[in-house]
Amino acid sequence: DAGITQSPRHKVTETGTPVTLRCHQTENHRYMYWYRQDPGHGLRLIHYSYGVKDTDKGEVSDGYSVSRSKTEDFLLTLESATSSQTSVYFCAISGIQGAGGEQYFGPGTRLTVT
Amino acid sequence: SQQGEEDPQALSIQEGENATMNCSYKTSINNLQWYRQNSGRGLVHLILIRSNEREKHSGRLRVTLDTSKKSSSLLITASRAADTASYFCATDGGWETSGSRLTFGEGTQLTVNP
Repeated sequence: DAGITQSPRHKVTETGTPVTLRCHQTENHRYMYWYRQDPGHGLRLIHYSYGVKDTDKGEVSDGYSVSRSKTEDFLLTLESATSSQTSVYFCAISGIQGAGGEQYFGPGTRLTVT
Repeated sequence: SQQGEEDPQALSIQEGENATMNCSYKTSINNLQWYRQNSGRGLVHLILIRSNEREKHSGRLRVTLDTSKKSSSLLITASRAADTASYFCATDGGWETSGSRLTFGEGTQLTVNP
């Protein structure tokens, strides 16, 4: 299994508070992604990174920011959490074949915004 | 909007039967991938088929791709209760179309009854 961990695994927070989710990999893969999974929507890409300090927006990036200061860590921040951001968040990494190649997923973070 | 759409949304079969899931997409692709997700877990890559391939096998899995119809199918032969999971197709539209990022469908929930 690819070495990907996510923390925290579960979080409950209140509307309006900032939240940061962490993705850590031990595979030295260049590409990292944050997705959210909601019933009826499948997985939707929030942001992705193609290298240290190189990030770009996905299809549902509003209300989220990311940072990647090291190859192994990709942080997702909800600047001011809203109930619509209640979801399961998955981090994924992609190897030397690059973006679009097979992706390896972390175990997910279940976030509830009350 | 989602690139890939799976059909059916849910499928229930008996152990030993074959399971077929279909995926349709809208734009040209570089490759199409299938992933599996067990309840409460991250996605696991199953198989990747490139746009110039028509069929690919991996163990009990058989994937076909028809680029003229913009569709793919995943066949699981001799299903087992352990195959119970959600199955997702994901398309890589290539750099020009999608920046080589994957777009996931909403998935097919497969239940294999013992």
